[in-house]
Amino acid sequence: AQSVTQPDIHITVSEGASLELRCNYSYGATPYLFWYVQSPGQGLQLLLKYFSGDTLVQGIKGFEAEFKRSQSSFNLRKPSVHWSDAAEYFCAVGAGGFKTIFGAGTRLFVKA
Amino acid sequence: DGGITQSPKYLFRKEGQNVTLSCEQNLNHDAMYWYRQDPGQGLRLIYYSQIVNDFQKGDIAEGYSVSREKKESFPLTVTSAQKNPTAFYLCASSIWTGRGNIQYFGAGTRLSVL
Repeated sequence: AQSVTQPDIHITVSEGASLELRCNYSYGATPYLFWYVQSPGQGLQLLLKYFSGDTLVQGIKGFEAEFKRSQSSFNLRKPSVHWSDAAEYFCAVGAGGFKTIFGAGTRLFVKA
Repeated sequence: DGGITQSPKYLFRKEGQNVTLSCEQNLNHDAMYWYRQDPGQGLRLIYYSQIVNDFQKGDIAEGYSVSREKKESFPLTVTSAQKNPTAFYLCASSIWTGRGNIQYFGAGTRLSVL
């Protein structure tokens, strides 16, 4: 069955430091992969997506993610975190057809 | 501006009462979804609809009902059979790009029990 695992429930980084959020997926075919961000009390906003082609994808707000098929991973990265990046981040995999499976989320805290 | 509108933003339910959450989209998307979000559990799919007048149960459909009479609208009713309705509810719509299905979300409705 398809699944998404985000191993870190929460992460704290200092402002200006680099960030990597981990995501592992389980899917039998070529996956469609997504990262979304959610600010408190808000809906989810799409950061970036991977469908095929270049395994390093660029997104909005300076985020990027790298698809590694051998590791079944799709980790999200940002070279320098800003205080406004504090939010919850969700990794997701297209589960075939119209369904999408979401991970449990990683909450990012940014300290000054 | 195109988007997904959920209303109300906050909703309170009394015991034994049915309540309906509204979701409207003007993105011309075929598919629409309802998710429930509880702390630490991510998003769980309640119902989804791929076309008008058709919908399927998701993972946690018990105690909920939906309708899809118009392409733009996908209301969710939380019935009295749902014994633990307090949660954040998210509506989404999606379009098939030919390479994958991308979901877009509304701002959510927070439901609490009085």
